[in-house]
Amino acid sequence: AQSVAQPEDQVNVAEGNPLTVKCTYSVSGNPYLFWYVQYPNRGLQFLLKYITGDNLVKGSYGFEAEFNKSQTSFHLKKPSALVSDSALYFCAVRYSGSARQLTFGSGTQLTVLP
Amino acid sequence: ETGVTQSPTHLIKTRGQQVTLRCSSQSGHNTVSWYQQALGQGPQFIFQYYREEENGRGNFPPRFSGLQFPNYSSELNVNALELDDSALYLCASSYGDHLTETQYFGPGTRLLVL
Repeated sequence: AQSVAQPEDQVNVAEGNPLTVKCTYSVSGNPYLFWYVQYPNRGLQFLLKYITGDNLVKGSYGFEAEFNKSQTSFHLKKPSALVSDSALYFCAVRYSGSARQLTFGSGTQLTVLP
Repeated sequence: ETGVTQSPTHLIKTRGQQVTLRCSSQSGHNTVSWYQQALGQGPQFIFQYYREEENGRGNFPPRFSGLQFPNYSSELNVNALELDDSALYLCASSYGDHLTETQYFGPGTRLLVL
């Protein structure tokens, strides 16, 4: 079954420092990988996706993610964190043979400290 | 903002009642997916509609049902509400095939079952 894992429930980082939010996926077919962000009492906002091609994907608000097939990972990164980046981040996977449903991880709460 | 709207924003029901949630998709999108997000968890796929036909269903009982209309808006109906149905219900609209599709989410409807 398709799945993603976010091993960290909480990540704290100081403002201005680089941030990483981790995601690993189960190996089954060709995974399409996504990152979404959720602010309190809001829906999910799309950040970026990996479908094929270049392993480094750039997305909204200065975020990027690297697809690593050998480690089955798709970690979200940003060179310099902002306090406004504090939110709940979800990794999601979709496989080419599925009905285009997204399978989400459990989420990682990112807190950027001023 | 994504252009995906949901109504109502909040709803309180009692156990055993029925509820209908509504979603208007982004202009040009012909696919709507519904997700349930329980407190502290990632969204779980309920079902997807493509051009008014159900196009995949997650592990939810038949009392969860849906419709998609010719203008691609959609409804989620839940019969015989249970306490565990309390959650944030998210709809997402999209367009395209496996390579091009990205799901854009609405703000959600928060349902409380007492």
